[in-house]
Amino acid sequence: GIQVEQSPPDLILQEGANSTLRCNFSDSVNNLQWFHQNPWGQLINLFYIPSGTKQNGRLSATTVATERYSLLYISSSQTTDSGVYFCAVEAGNQFYFGTGTSLTVIP
Amino acid sequence: NAGVTQTPKFQVLKTGQSMTLQCAQDMNHEYMSWYRQDPGMGLRLIHYSVGAGITDQGEVPNGYNVSRSTTEDFPLRLLSAAPSQTSVYFCASSYGDGGPEQYFGPGTRLTVT
Repeated sequence: GIQVEQSPPDLILQEGANSTLRCNFSDSVNNLQWFHQNPWGQLINLFYIPSGTKQNGRLSATTVATERYSLLYISSSQTTDSGVYFCAVEAGNQFYFGTGTSLTVIP
Repeated sequence: NAGVTQTPKFQVLKTGQSMTLQCAQDMNHEYMSWYRQDPGMGLRLIHYSVGAGITDQGEVPNGYNVSRSTTEDFPLRLLSAAPSQTSVYFCASSYGDGGPEQYFGPGTRLTVT
């Protein structure tokens, strides 16, 4: 299967700070998605981004498929951004998840 | 739309017992899948289905069975529960071929003693 590595594994931010989360993957993929798992365990789809750049409010993401990585940017972080951020890639109808970046935003 | 629903939310089983985790979606999605999430790990794919009557194995299929008789439902069966199957189980669905977006259910927390 495809290996998905996320960094950093843990991140603590002061409210209002910016951050960049990285996702590296080991092979060509058809699909890449970023998810946020909130402290209650719910998984929320943030971006579907197999290539290019997308923005949604304070969040944006960039995927460079030829170099097999994706970045998730969080600007002006808020306490509600806390949780675990997962990158998932799809190839051959199967999704492979990274182990996530655990983000804690402190007021 | 209710989205993706899962029942039960919590379950405790004894080793050797069997049970079925239910998953249903009302978005007419073709693709459905089951994942397990263990502490400190990402989600791992157990089984998936690209449409009614079609199922296939994911990364960690051993000890689990699935069937897909309708577009809406995708139950996951544990045939003989083992402590190693203690986990949180998520069901997900999407329009097709795993994309463009996956929608997840709220999860089932299973403990096997």
